[in-house]
Amino acid sequence: EVQLVESGGGLVKPGGSLRLSCAASGFTFSSYSMNWVRQAPGKGLEWVSSISSSSSYIYYADSVKGRFTISRDNAKNSLYLQMNSLRAEDTAVYYCARVAARTSRDFDYWGQGTLVTVSS
Amino acid sequence: AIQMTQSPSSLSASVGDRVTITCRASQGIRNDLGWYQQKPGKAPKLLIYAASSLQSGVPSRFSGSGSGTDFTLTISSLQPEDFATYYCLQDYNYPWAFGQGTKVEIK
Repeated sequence: EVQLVESGGGLVKPGGSLRLSCAASGFTFSSYSMNWVRQAPGKGLEWVSSISSSSSYIYYADSVKGRFTISRDNAKNSLYLQMNSLRAEDTAVYYCARVAARTSRDFDYWGQGTLVTVSS
Repeated sequence: AIQMTQSPSSLSASVGDRVTITCRASQGIRNDLGWYQQKPGKAPKLLIYAASSLQSGVPSRFSGSGSGTDFTLTISSLQPEDFATYYCLQDYNYPWAFGQGTKVEIK
């Protein structure tokens, strides 16, 4: 069974840093591109970042570029999001999502999400 | 960056109704569009990929159509479990972008 479990969320002050993790199981993690998607309270979905299976290709939303860093450790079946210079508008539930191998697009599995709150 | 305009933002419908949600891209995206369903407090779920292909396990009352800039998600006969928020996602090029969402409520 495919499972994605996020962790690392919490309360952080503006300007602070946080590192999110996503533990994957039930599939060959090293064969799949992975993404982070976030959702501010009561708002819609926002794509955040994407990383290819071998980390060769990395993309970011303009809203996080230069502040967030996506990475992965295929040996540990883990995806990460290092978030620096956090702002109030980064407050959201952060989901990790697997890209479907069939199309190399679309998110066929999602984690349950981890809440990040940026507040003083 | 490609912008996705989804409409309506919300709608009220009854069980058994036919429901249509549209998504328009600010430029052509071939058929690189997916539709997702999200229920409160839950992660989104993929319904349709490549504009019109039904994801495994998704009921056949869901269908998608369109290509280029205009896309449609149709629920042929709304069921109680379909009351949720629906999002389109363009995955044609980066940055990928979601539509604003359509909340389907009980009439």
